[in-house]
Amino acid sequence: GAVVSQHPSRVICKSGTSVKIECRSLDFQATTMFWYRQFPKKSLMLMATSNEGSKATYEQGVEKDKFLINHASLTLSTLTVTSAHPEDSSFYICSARDRGFGSGNTIYFGEGSWLTVV
Amino acid sequence: RKEVEQDPGPFNVPEGATVAFNCTYSNSASQSFFWYRQDCRKEPKLLMSVYSSGNEDGRFTAQLNRASQYISLLIRDSKLSDSATYLCVVLYYGGATNKLIFGTGTLLAVQP
Repeated sequence: GAVVSQHPSRVICKSGTSVKIECRSLDFQATTMFWYRQFPKKSLMLMATSNEGSKATYEQGVEKDKFLINHASLTLSTLTVTSAHPEDSSFYICSARDRGFGSGNTIYFGEGSWLTVV
Repeated sequence: RKEVEQDPGPFNVPEGATVAFNCTYSNSASQSFFWYRQDCRKEPKLLMSVYSSGNEDGRFTAQLNRASQYISLLIRDSKLSDSATYLCVVLYYGGATNKLIFGTGTLLAVQP
C-alpha cells in the first residue's frame, strides 16, 4: 500500500543549529502534506499545511521563519527547524493525502522524527 | 473551545469488555472523519473512517452524528492488544486550505 517515508527518524543537534526533516510519499502524489508536532502524552498539534508549488499555511502561533516548510514536488515536503533550541525538542510527524482515483482521499502518516536539541 | 474534543481517559477495562469513546467537533464545515490509533512513541495509524450511516469493522463500530457534531467508536470484546491511544480526527476543507485536526486522544488500557 501507499507509504509515507520520513527521515531522519531520530536526530540530536546542538542548540542554534538547523535541522531538516524530509517527508516523502513513495507511491502516490501528495498535493497536500501536513506537519505536526507532538509533546509527550499530548496530541498532535498541526503546525502547517504544505501545498505543492505554493507557500505553506501556518497555524496560529507557529513561527514560519523558524519552521521553514518547502513542498517543491508532488512527493517531497521538508521541514527545517532553524536555530533550534531545547524547547523545540519534540516528535515531528508528517502526513500526506492520496488523492488518486480510488484512494478515497486517504491520509497516510510518516513514521515521525524525534528531535532532541542539546 | 478546542476544535476536536475527547475524553482523555485513561479507560481501564478488563479483557472482553465493551468500551465506547466519544468525540465532538466544533467546525460544522468538517467533512471527513476518522479514528486513528497511536501506540506509545509511534506514528498514528488509521483505524477506520467514520460515516453518517455508521460503519463496522470486526469488533470496531464507528458512528457519526452530523447534527450533534458527535463521533463515536465502540470496541467490543476488548483485547490486550487494543491498548493504545485512540485519536478522533477531523478533516475539513477551508477555502484553499485543507486541515486535518486531531483530538487530544483517549488512552485505553485493557487489563488481563
